[in-house]
Amino acid sequence: DQQVKQNSPSLSVQEGRISILNCDYTNSMFDYFLWYKKYPAEGPTFLISISSIKDKNEDGRFTVFLNKSAKHLSLHIVPSQPGDSAVYFCAAQRGNAGNMLTFGGGTRLMVKP
Amino acid sequence: DTEVTQTPKHLVMGMTNKKSLKCEQHMGHRAMYWYKQKAKKPPELMFVYSYEKLSINESVPSRFSPECPNSSLLNLHLHALQPEDSALYLCASSQDDTRRNTEAFFGQGTRLTVV
Repeated sequence: DQQVKQNSPSLSVQEGRISILNCDYTNSMFDYFLWYKKYPAEGPTFLISISSIKDKNEDGRFTVFLNKSAKHLSLHIVPSQPGDSAVYFCAAQRGNAGNMLTFGGGTRLMVKP
Repeated sequence: DTEVTQTPKHLVMGMTNKKSLKCEQHMGHRAMYWYKQKAKKPPELMFVYSYEKLSINESVPSRFSPECPNSSLLNLHLHALQPEDSALYLCASSQDDTRRNTEAFFGQGTRLTVV
C-alpha cells in the first residue's frame, strides 16, 4: 500500500506561470516532508523540505505548503522556467525511523518556453 | 562538498557474475543508504548503515550484500542476480539516522543491467 502518493504523473506549464505539484500521504507518523527533483540518468537532488510543525516553507521560487489535517502537501514553483522540467518526487520521513525516505511515484513537470 | 560519488555509472553483468557497486561521500555523514529505482517507479529503500553498522535491511534478497568499510565508503556486492534486478541503484547519505529531520544527498546512481 502506497503511503505517499502523487496522483498526477505529469504536468505541463507555460514558462513564467505557476507550477503546482501535489502530494498526499496516509501515515500520520510522518513528521518531515521533502521534495526532490530528478533529471534522467541522475540521482534525486534535494529541493526543499517542511517539518510537520509548520504549514509553509519558502526558498526563492519554491514554496511548500503542508495541510496536516488533510495529509496533503504541495510544491509551488513561481515563476516556472524551462530548466525546471524534470521529475519531482515528494518524500516523507518518520522521526523514529531514522531518516529513511518513503517516496511518492513522482510527477513529470514540463515547462514550455 | 555536497557530493556523493557512485561508480561505475553503468554496469552490465551476467547472472553468474560477481560485481560491486561503490559509493563515497566526504561530508562527514554517518548514515548511508542504498535505494533501488525501477523504471517509472520511485526509489525504494534497500539498506541503511548508521555509524558503519547495518541498521535496516528492507527484506532484500541475499544476492545483494552491503558493506560499509569506513564512514566514507559504502559498497553493494552483487552475486547471481536475476534480469529483474536491472534497475538504477542509488546511494545516499545524511548526517546520521538518529538526528531528526535532515535531508539525504544522493549520488548519480549506477544503471545496472543483468543479462
